[in-house]
Amino acid sequence: AQKITQTQPGMFVQEKEAVTLDCTYDTSDPSYGLFWYKQPSSGEMIFLIYQGSYDQQNATEGRYSLNFQKARKSANLVISASQLGDSAMYFCAMSPGSGNTGKLIFGQGTTLQVKP
Amino acid sequence: DSGVTQTPKHLITATGQRVTLRCSPRSGDLSVYWYQQSLDQGLQFLIQYYNGEERAKGNILERFSAQQFPDLHSELNLSSLELGDSALYFCASSVAGATNEKLFFGSGTQLSVL
Repeated sequence: AQKITQTQPGMFVQEKEAVTLDCTYDTSDPSYGLFWYKQPSSGEMIFLIYQGSYDQQNATEGRYSLNFQKARKSANLVISASQLGDSAMYFCAMSPGSGNTGKLIFGQGTTLQVKP
Repeated sequence: DSGVTQTPKHLITATGQRVTLRCSPRSGDLSVYWYQQSLDQGLQFLIQYYNGEERAKGNILERFSAQQFPDLHSELNLSSLELGDSALYFCASSVAGATNEKLFFGSGTQLSVL
């Protein structure tokens, strides 16, 4: 069965520094997608970045980059130059490659606090 | 603003009652998803519809049901409510409901069962 694991319940980072949020996944599908979403205290879910299993290059979106290591089944999110507004819960998610569904399977999340 | 509209934002009700949560997807999106977020279970996928038809089912209780109407809006019905049903319920939408599509989430309905 597909599964996403985020082992860091909470993280702290100093403003302007970089931080890495860990994510490992488990699937037997050869084709799948990996996503990161941000949930601020206001509650909404905001899409950050996407990586396809066949993509050769790591995805980047502004200050966000995804460190994709397929053999290790990891998809860590790197946030560069942290800002106070980055304080939020971050979820890693996977889109299964089979079943013709766009549903996402989410990890338990990591709470990030950016310190001034 | 994701373009996905959920109503109501907050709902307080009593055990044993029935409620209906409403979702309007982004313009042009044909697929709607429902998720439940609670402290102990995290974000759980409940059900997905595509153009009015059920496409995938997750951990949805038998007391819960959903449908997607011809205008593509969706409703999630929760009945015989229990204290444990208190959670944040999200609706999300995507263009074709296919693998690897980005999901756009609404702001959620916070359900409190007292």
